[in-house]
Amino acid sequence: AQSVTQLDSQVPVFEEAPVELRCNYSSSVSVYLFWYVQYPNQGLQLLLKYLSGSTLVKGINGFEAEFNKSQTSFHLRKPSVHISDTAEYFCAVSDSGSARQLTFGSGTQLTVLP
Amino acid sequence: NAGVTQTPKFQVLKTGQSMTLQCAQDMNHNSMYWYRQDPGMGLRLIYYSASEGTTDKGEVPNGYNVSRLNKREFSLRLESAAPSQTSVYFCAGGLAGRDTQYFGPGTRLTVL
Repeated sequence: AQSVTQLDSQVPVFEEAPVELRCNYSSSVSVYLFWYVQYPNQGLQLLLKYLSGSTLVKGINGFEAEFNKSQTSFHLRKPSVHISDTAEYFCAVSDSGSARQLTFGSGTQLTVLP
Repeated sequence: NAGVTQTPKFQVLKTGQSMTLQCAQDMNHNSMYWYRQDPGMGLRLIYYSASEGTTDKGEVPNGYNVSRLNKREFSLRLESAAPSQTSVYFCAGGLAGRDTQYFGPGTRLTVL
């Protein structure tokens, strides 16, 4: 079984400041890791994913994440946030099975303040 | 190309009523999924279908049934709705052997 912990339920940050959203996972097998974003009243949209290879993954909208196997973490970062980044962010993990079931964290609400 | 569509967008039911949530995709996805989203709990998998003709239980299947009608359509049925099923329901699709799931816009369901 696998699980995902997002350590911060809410993160307020001022516009143009850097931000880090934390994610830790547990699993007994190799996993794939994802970050999804949900804007108000919308479905989820993929930001980035780690499958293998380079541990630094770049995604859309200037976000990046680093896979750290020893610390079982996959933290999301952006060097300078915009008002439009205000949304809820979900970390997720999937196993290597064919159905690729996703297990989600509880989400982090990022609020960018002017 | 509409991606993943869900109907209805909103629904209010009384306890004990039944209803079916519809999901369709035009992205040639093999796998389809139903999740529910509750505050502070992220998304939890209800049922999934790895391919046409197969369905399997996820983390929270009790009180729900699903039908994979064909490759495009995957419906979720509540036979006797309960207030605990008040939630936002998301359908998603994905290609076999690939990892990204594509989500629909959601159905907001309230059970009184």
